[in-house]
Formats: sequence, structure tokens, C-alpha cells
Amino acid sequence: EPEVTQTPSHQVTQMGQEVILRCVPISNHLYFYWYRQILGQKVEFLVSFYNNEISEKSEIFDDQFSVERPDGSNFTLKIRSTKLEDSAMYFCASAPGTSGVGWDTGELFFGEGSRLTVL
Amino acid sequence: GEDVEQSLFLSVREGDSSVINCTYTDSSSTYLYWYKQEPGAGLQLLTYIFSNMDMKQDQRLTVLLNKKDKHLSLRIADTQTGDSAIYFCAESGAGSYQLTFGKGTKLSVIP
Repeated sequence: EPEVTQTPSHQVTQMGQEVILRCVPISNHLYFYWYRQILGQKVEFLVSFYNNEISEKSEIFDDQFSVERPDGSNFTLKIRSTKLEDSAMYFCASAPGTSGVGWDTGELFFGEGSRLTVL
Repeated sequence: GEDVEQSLFLSVREGDSSVINCTYTDSSSTYLYWYKQEPGAGLQLLTYIFSNMDMKQDQRLTVLLNKKDKHLSLRIADTQTGDSAIYFCAESGAGSYQLTFGKGTKLSVIP
């Protein structure tokens, strides 16, 4: 069964360092997302991406964050200068276009997450 | 902004029914979802209900929606140890894939 894969599963970094989290969405999906979950808190929307551009972003997604789909398969989240409060589990998700299974219910297909620890 | 609230913990005995509750604030919610997260895994869609429905049943799962009170519940019949996980309530508005999640309810099933 197709799945969303994320790497790395866990990354430890020093405050101020740049981090890139990678995701390979399901191949025929057209909508891509990043969510994050700080330990003990809610899963929060960061950004959605469609047709090679950001379609929605939350207040959390400030200038330190960027997303890219560099090669048609990977979808990356870059944090330019990490802060302690960026420590969280980051989930990538994808969704099909209108011809795909699940498009009419708004189902998102999530990866297993990348745990980021900023020291 | 939109908010989704759910209790954090629920403990039930194997074979009993589990009921996980959720309240939300967005009256324009179109779809309401239950996602399941097993340890070390991502969020997996368990079931969903469209806002014009009151109930949806899928094998051991029953979703009840009280739109007037903005209350959603998930009932798991004959709860098994494999049902132990965190269950997230989430909602989305019309035309948006942006989900608003609750904090998740950790279901512990006692053998």
C-alpha cells in the first residue's frame, strides 16, 4: 500500500543550525502538508503546498521556515535557524487531487514523523 | 480561531466499549475525523463523518455527531488491546485540507 515516508526519523541539532526534513509523498498525490506536534500539545498545521506554491500557511510558519519540492518526488521543510521551541515531531502529509481515492473526504495521508530535538 | 478539545486519557478493560469524546468550536466544519496514532507511527485516518450526518457505523466503530452542541464521539465496541493508541479528533472546513486537531486521547486497554 502506498505510504508517505519521512527522513530522518530523529534529528538532534544545535540551536541556530539549519535543518532540512524530507518527505516523499504518495506518488499521484497533488497536495502536500507539514504539521507539527510539540510534546504534549496539539498537532498544529504549518503549511500546505499545491501546484508548486504555498496555498495556506499558519502563523507558526514564519520566515525561518520554507518548503520546497525540488525534484517532483521529495517535499522538504527547511528551518533556517533552529530555536529550542522548534523541538517537535514534524509530520508530512499528502492528499490526492480530485480524481484520487479519498479526495472527497479530505483525508490526509500522514508519514510517521520526524522528531526534531534542538539543544 | 477554531479549537478542538478532547480528554487526554481513557482506560478501559478489554472487551468493554470505549467512548472518546470531542468538542469543537467551528460551526462551519464540513468534515470531522478520527485519526489513530500507534506508538512510533504516523496518524492514520480511522473514520470520518460529514457534518450533515448524525451517525456513522463502521464495524466496531460508531461515530456520533451532535452538530447543535458541536460534540463528536467515537465508540469502539469490544475494545481490544490492539486498540491501545492515541486517538485524535480533527475538523476541516469546506474546501480546505487544513485540519484542526485536538490534543489526542490516549486509550489504554487493560487485559
